[in-house]
Amino acid sequence: DAGVIQSPRHEVTEMGQEVTLRCKPISGHNSLFWYRQTMMRGLELLIYFNNNVPIDDSGMPEDRFSAKMPNASFSTLKIQPSEPRDSAVYFCASTGTHSNQPQHFGDGTRLSIL
Amino acid sequence: DQQVKQNSPSLSVQEGRISILNCDYTNSMFDYFLWYKKYPAEGPTFLISISSIKDKNEDGRFTVFLNKSAKHLSLHIVPSQPGDSAVYFCAAGTGANNLFFGTGTRLTVIP
Repeated sequence: DAGVIQSPRHEVTEMGQEVTLRCKPISGHNSLFWYRQTMMRGLELLIYFNNNVPIDDSGMPEDRFSAKMPNASFSTLKIQPSEPRDSAVYFCASTGTHSNQPQHFGDGTRLSIL
Repeated sequence: DQQVKQNSPSLSVQEGRISILNCDYTNSMFDYFLWYKKYPAEGPTFLISISSIKDKNEDGRFTVFLNKSAKHLSLHIVPSQPGDSAVYFCAAGTGANNLFFGTGTRLTVIP
């Protein structure tokens, strides 16, 4: 079975540029999560979708961050304009409909803003 | 403020010995607890979980213990193997859709 697929794996861009991270959840999963990993704070939840609808975006740091899930098999996280402090590893995870199914993570996108 | 804390950033253990990783949480409403393992350049992978109705869950070499009164959980790995060397994340919440993660503990198992 294919797991959660994220692209790109690495992104290096200059400050001020728009960055788009992509995620394909596991087929049949109806919840999708975007996390950011930093040394200081570990894995922080940015936003969570259920059945393609954003449920909790309280973790989105600023208006520069936006996320969409146009259908059950695709989600994007966009940063515009990007800043050096956005440099981190961004993970996407998905989980199914049964209660307390663990989240399955993609391999992440390592983002570097110069 | 961090709701889930892993106070040991790193741990080294000899192969064959027990590894004990610790995690503390602050919210008494949390009822679902998990451990994830992460290798470099990969995403976290689910290892073991426990719900608040139990105080122990075992899966092969891995056992998770939950002390609700102390708001503390631990992961025991016995015997430890070099392939267990990874970063271990503790997570806690009120369900799979509402998890808070710790900052991770890097385990090194020395052959």
